[in-house]
Amino acid sequence: DIQMTQSPSSLSASVGDRVTITCRASQDVNNYLAWYQQRPGEVPKLLIYGASNLQSGVPSRFSGSASGTDFSLTISSLQPEDVATYYCQRCGSAPFTFGPGTKVDLK
Amino acid sequence: QVHLVESGGGVVQPGRSLRLSCAASGFIFSDFAMHWVRQAPGEGLEWVALISHDGGSQYYADSVKGRFSISRDASKDTLYLQMNSLQAGDTAVYYCARERTGYYASHWGQGILVSVSS
Repeated sequence: DIQMTQSPSSLSASVGDRVTITCRASQDVNNYLAWYQQRPGEVPKLLIYGASNLQSGVPSRFSGSASGTDFSLTISSLQPEDVATYYCQRCGSAPFTFGPGTKVDLK
Repeated sequence: QVHLVESGGGVVQPGRSLRLSCAASGFIFSDFAMHWVRQAPGEGLEWVALISHDGGSQYYADSVKGRFSISRDASKDTLYLQMNSLQAGDTAVYYCARERTGYYASHWGQGILVSVSS
């Protein structure tokens, strides 16, 4: 099965900082890659699908990119409401494995 | 709008069974595949199972294969997860989620807690 890894496992940044989280798939996932945000105590929310497509209603400061089996989620200007754990997920075909998550908080 | 409500959770002894339900509204239920995803206390997200839009195909995580069964009732707009031979490691909040094309989980329920304990 395809394994998903994320780095870093956690990070602290200041409001207004540019933040980048990476996700790596152990095999080609054909860009069937999603990013989710889970704020503390809340339900996960889809941010990005197809590696780089912004889900409706998601602020434009979020973006996704892909290079082979490496994927990135970038927050262009971190806001207080972006404090959350971010997960990548392989989609397209089963098993739909999640990455271990990256916790983002404010410095 | 899309609304998903899970029910059927609770405390159950190891080895026993439980059936979760997810009532769907606000969309044509039979047009979309559905996921179950779980999250153990303080842990990350774990995909559990998916059923195709017409119920004809089911897929499972290795951790639940042979013990859990996903199904759906189009006449009731309801998704189910039958959980047998429950173990302490199955303790988690269970979410149902609707897909968007590509099996991305675009809409999530609020989740229901299942606690396996003697």
